[in-house]
Amino acid sequence: AQSVTQPDIHITVSEGASLELRCNYSYGATPYLFWYVQSPGQGLQLLLKYFSGDTLVQGIKGFEAEFKRSQSSFNLRKPSVHWSDAAEYFCAVGAAPGAGSYQLTFGKGTKLSVIP
Amino acid sequence: DADVTQTPRNRITKTGKRIMLECSQTKGHDRMYWYRQDPGLGLRLIYYSFDVKDINKGEISDGYSVSRQAQAKFSLSLESAIPNQTALYFCATSQTSQGYTFGSGTRLTVV
Repeated sequence: AQSVTQPDIHITVSEGASLELRCNYSYGATPYLFWYVQSPGQGLQLLLKYFSGDTLVQGIKGFEAEFKRSQSSFNLRKPSVHWSDAAEYFCAVGAAPGAGSYQLTFGKGTKLSVIP
Repeated sequence: DADVTQTPRNRITKTGKRIMLECSQTKGHDRMYWYRQDPGLGLRLIYYSFDVKDINKGEISDGYSVSRQAQAKFSLSLESAIPNQTALYFCATSQTSQGYTFGSGTRLTVV
């Protein structure tokens, strides 16, 4: 069965500091990996995704993520956090393109607080 | 207009009442999903549908039912609401493995 672990429930960083949100996954085949962001009272917005190719992927809002197969990880990073980045972040894993169901399994989320 | 529209946005209902949450999309996607979100538990899949004639249970389908009235419409029903169904409910759509498009959510409170 596929699963996603986000070890950090809540992270607080100062504005301008760097950020790394951790994500570990378990999947029996080639995974398709996603990061979503949820602002308060909003739905989920796709930040970035990875299936193949360069293991460092760029997303919207200045975010990037690195896929490390040996560590089953897909950590999200941002060099300099802005106050507007305060939100909850979800990592998700699903089947590779063409592999059938597009059902995604989500982690439990990491809430990011930003100190001015 | 939003690509994925959920109605109502907020609802308070009493225990034992039947309630329907509706989802419509303009993306033209075949696949639609219902998730519930609870604090600290992330999103859990309730039901999903690959087309009008294909409905599948997710990991937490007990107490829920769905109807895919058309390609663009996918509704979630609670036949007899109970307090532990208080949650934030999301509808999502997908066409390929490009990820989901989410609605803005329905906040349901069962008292």
